[in-house]
Amino acid sequence: GAGVSQSPSNKVTEKGKDVELRCDPISGHTALYWYRQRLGQGLEFLIYFQGNSAPDKSGLPSDRFSAERTGESVSTLTIQRTQQEDSAVYLCASSPAPVTDTQYFGPGTRLTVL
Amino acid sequence: AQSVAQPEDQVNVAEGNPLTVKCTYSVSGNPYLFWYVQYPNRGLQFLLKYITGDNLVKGSYGFEAEFNKSQTSFHLKKPSALVSDSALYFCAVRDRTGGFKTIFGAGTRLFVKA
Repeated sequence: GAGVSQSPSNKVTEKGKDVELRCDPISGHTALYWYRQRLGQGLEFLIYFQGNSAPDKSGLPSDRFSAERTGESVSTLTIQRTQQEDSAVYLCASSPAPVTDTQYFGPGTRLTVL
Repeated sequence: AQSVAQPEDQVNVAEGNPLTVKCTYSVSGNPYLFWYVQYPNRGLQFLLKYITGDNLVKGSYGFEAEFNKSQTSFHLKKPSALVSDSALYFCAVRDRTGGFKTIFGAGTRLFVKA
């Protein structure tokens, strides 16, 4: 079946511009996560959705970052006024249920801020 | 606070030899523990997880890991390494007493030489 998809696969933007990253989770997965992976580093948790609510957004690094989710479907991560330090791969994962279940990862969006 | 340590940036092993990738963790409560693998040009894939029960967990591709509560470790092992096992391995932990944040280690690159 279809896995987690993310778009765009690559995004190059200029400092100060806003960007929107999209994640399509596996159908039926109620839990959705966003992570950031800087070059050569591990995954950094950003936000967790259960359905369309976000009970844990503790990893969002600043108020320039926001995310929303429509029902148990698409999620978008928005970064406003991008900075060079935002350059990273942004990964989305979904899970059939929270807490104990396996996370299924998308291929990621590579964001480069010039 | 939760944390995961993968003390080795890289592990080198000859094909056919046993391999170990180390992971230690720190959580305030009891952990859920995971291993994920990232192959070149491919997304993160789930390998195995410890939730409860038997401390020895068997996963995909012949990998296994042992939960050691006293040493707060969850080392990944395989009896006989394959060249195709060469990849980036991530250990992850979630505190089962609360929250949905999964903390990932920085990753260990495994290189299996033919």
